Amino acid sequence: EPEVTQTPSHQVTQMGQEVILRCVPISNHLYFYWYRQILGQKVEFLVSFYNNEISEKSEIFDDQFSVERPDGSNFTLKIRSTKLEDSAMYFCASSEAVPSTYNSPLHFGNGTRLTVT
Amino acid sequence: QKEVEQDPGPLSVPEGAIVSLNCTYSNSAFQYFMWYRQYSRKGPELLMYTYSSGNKEDGRFTAQVDKSSKYISLFIRDSQPSDSATYLCAMSAGGYKLSFGAGTTVTVRA
Repeated sequence: EPEVTQTPSHQVTQMGQEVILRCVPISNHLYFYWYRQILGQKVEFLVSFYNNEISEKSEIFDDQFSVERPDGSNFTLKIRSTKLEDSAMYFCASSEAVPSTYNSPLHFGNGTRLTVT
Repeated sequence: QKEVEQDPGPLSVPEGAIVSLNCTYSNSAFQYFMWYRQYSRKGPELLMYTYSSGNKEDGRFTAQVDKSSKYISLFIRDSQPSDSATYLCAMSAGGYKLSFGAGTTVTVRA
């Protein structure tokens, strides 16, 4: 079964450094997302991306964050200057259509654990 | 009031028992309701999807939505040790964003 793959599985970085988290969504999917889960807290929506532009973003997704689909297969999340509070599990997801459409569930990757020291 | 509330548990049941999970929500615009299962060190995986109020059954799983009470439930019949996981409710008003509950950790004892 096709799956969303994320690399790396664990990233350690120093505060103030830039990080890029990488994702390969399922090939026929058109909608892409980033969610994050701080340890012990709920999964939170960051951003959705469709047709090469952001379709929706949360208050968390401030100017420090950016997303890009640099080619036909990768989808990236960049954090420009990491803070301690950015430490979390970051999940990439993709779907064929908007998530409210029946039979268009979000497929999640297994996440990248980002640790900011 | 939190947008989506879910008791984090943990919940421990013997094999074969019925597992009952629930979430409440405050946003009356939510129309689409999902349950995800998350194993340790894995991403969430969709279990059940329900639109508006009503019941839906899929094998050992039954999802119920009561929009008048802003309350959703998931029941797992004949629970197995392989059902041990964290169960997340999620909901949407129809846009791109899913709002998740905190997740309930379930352990099914053999």
